[in-house]
Amino acid sequence: DAGVIQSPRHEVTEMGQEVTLRCKPISGHNSLFWYRQTMMRGLELLIYFNNNVPIDDSGMPEDRFSAKMPNASFSTLKIQPSEPRDSAVYFCASSFALAGGVQETQYFGPGTRLLVL
Amino acid sequence: AQSVTQLGSHVSVSEGALVLLRCNYSSSVPPYLFWYVQYPNQGLQLLLKYTSAATLVKGINGFEAEFKKSETSFHLTKPSAHMSDAAEYFCAVTNQGGSEKLVFGKGTKLTVNP
Repeated sequence: DAGVIQSPRHEVTEMGQEVTLRCKPISGHNSLFWYRQTMMRGLELLIYFNNNVPIDDSGMPEDRFSAKMPNASFSTLKIQPSEPRDSAVYFCASSFALAGGVQETQYFGPGTRLLVL
Repeated sequence: AQSVTQLGSHVSVSEGALVLLRCNYSSSVPPYLFWYVQYPNQGLQLLLKYTSAATLVKGINGFEAEFKKSETSFHLTKPSAHMSDAAEYFCAVTNQGGSEKLVFGKGTKLTVNP
């Protein structure tokens, strides 16, 4: 298995631009997570999906952030408009959730390093 | 609500020395506990996990952790550090059964000196 795939690996953009991060989870996994990692705040869960449905988006910073999962093999995290404080490493992770929401181990992608100038 | 505290954002050891990374958790329900490792410029990788079976859990690369309910701790240890162990280590907690989201600690960066 190729593992969780994220693209791009690096993104440099200017303030005000739209940024779209992409994630392909491990085949067969039915839960997908978006995390943000910064020096100041550590690793934060932004949103997670189960069976393509957003379950908890309480970690999404503000309306500038949106996430979609149109099918089981693809998810996007969009920032519009981007700001310098959005600079961080964004991780996607996937897992298999059993009946009742029991989550198996999360597998992380390599991350997208975003720099907003 | 659950939380994790990792004592020491940086730990430095000599090659061959004992590695001890501390993690204390807070949970109102029985927990599942995890240790993840992050090598430079990579994503997180599971080292080991406690899911209410044996309290002493063995993971990859010679690491182990012991769940101590009375101390609300899940410290990570390795008898002899290797240079390749240099990385950042994250402790994480969820509820027993794993139906709640995983809550991560701030991480501990381990440096191994030759």
